[in-house]
Amino acid sequence: DTAVSQTPKYLVTQMGNDKSIKCEQNLGHDTMYWYKQDSKKFLKIMFSYNNKELIINETVPNRFSPKSPDKAHLNLHINSLELGDSAVYFCASSQVLAGGEQFFGPGTRLTVL
Amino acid sequence: DQQVKQNSPSLSVQEGRISILNCDYTNSMFDYFLWYKKYPAEGPTFLISISSIKDKNEDGRFTVFLNKSAKHLSLHIVPSQPGDSAVYFCAATRLYGGSQGNLIFGKGTKLSVKP
Repeated sequence: DTAVSQTPKYLVTQMGNDKSIKCEQNLGHDTMYWYKQDSKKFLKIMFSYNNKELIINETVPNRFSPKSPDKAHLNLHINSLELGDSAVYFCASSQVLAGGEQFFGPGTRLTVL
Repeated sequence: DQQVKQNSPSLSVQEGRISILNCDYTNSMFDYFLWYKKYPAEGPTFLISISSIKDKNEDGRFTVFLNKSAKHLSLHIVPSQPGDSAVYFCAATRLYGGSQGNLIFGKGTKLSVKP
């Protein structure tokens, strides 16, 4: 039974399109995150949500918007996709905010053509 | 500016020997450190962590050492097994004082354990 799941696993799309990546966790955790792993392999935090409230919003373009319909889901919406958005996006969750260990999903490889 | 650095992109070790992966950090406010293991096409998996009030934490074959004065930590795997072959990420955070759970990752070290 997958703890943190993401769909789709692969996403290929054209520049200018709008796309979404879904994330679900069945661990009962309070906090969920989105990370981006770029071509240089750095994993960088994008957002986190705690009890439906945005806690961290790093310097990401406002074309990226996280949406959390409930505590178990944190979806990532991306508008007007650009070539530089191509990366692997990871969803993660932790029991509480600043709880240390975070559990990651399998990642979504986004390719923008 | 990289706050967490893993200066060795790769490491090759013989099965049964010790693997030592190193990590340096620059931010003295970090008080909690983690190691993650990542296989291709999978997400990072939590391996072991250490609080800044300790200098060593052990879990089976995995031991993490923390040298706060040098701002350095290392992960020891003994004995190394072929299944340990993966990319290992070092991460740091500030649990107390408003970090809000932000993990800062290093670039990773690819470990290859040869039979």
